[in-house]
Amino acid sequence: TQLLEQSPQFLSIQEGENLTVYCNSSSVFSSLQWYRQEPGEGPVLLVTVVTGGEVKKLKRLTFQFGDARKDSSLHITAAQTGDTGLYLCAGATAGNMLTFGGGTRLMVKP
Amino acid sequence: DADVTQTPRNRITKTGKRIMLECSQTKGHDRMYWYRQDPGLGLRLIYYSFDVKDINKGEISDGYSVSRQAQAKFSLSLESAIPNQTALYFCATSDLRGGGATDTQYFGPGTRLTVL
Repeated sequence: TQLLEQSPQFLSIQEGENLTVYCNSSSVFSSLQWYRQEPGEGPVLLVTVVTGGEVKKLKRLTFQFGDARKDSSLHITAAQTGDTGLYLCAGATAGNMLTFGGGTRLMVKP
Repeated sequence: DADVTQTPRNRITKTGKRIMLECSQTKGHDRMYWYRQDPGLGLRLIYYSFDVKDINKGEISDGYSVSRQAQAKFSLSLESAIPNQTALYFCATSDLRGGGATDTQYFGPGTRLTVL
């Protein structure tokens, strides 16, 4: 049973559209991270959110941590083909260990 | 040069064979991890090590063993490979920042292992 559920699993959109990816859990995390993974490479950290309700922006990407620190969302505005990839959320648990969600595979078509 | 390297990048083997996957890092980090990735399941932790003398089992350690030969090297072995160990394997490193901050994990490029 996965501790972190990501939705949707797959998303295919046109360039210029907006999208939101969700990461949900029944567990509380001390912090939550979002990683992006491209084919043939390992995941790369995008952001860490720590405080309940926290919002962080990274250019066209907006990350939010839920008030209860159980869920998070990633919103991309005006998606570009370069945003294509696998997006993974990861919650930090006891001992600073990470539990990963199943991932959302995003395809942005030109 | 990459900070975290993994060898081999691809490997096809047969059931029952012993396989070793190697990971090296130049980041000077104490913490190293081995994960496997399967479609739709994200990354699952196999083993981790917080320093050279420390080895810990992760969520799915059965069928795997590890060796931390030095601060920079952490290898994963499959003593007798089976088909359901076919997956992408990632090594990662992190540096304990303390103060409640979450470590950033730096991943290698992965090893694609196929067990026939």
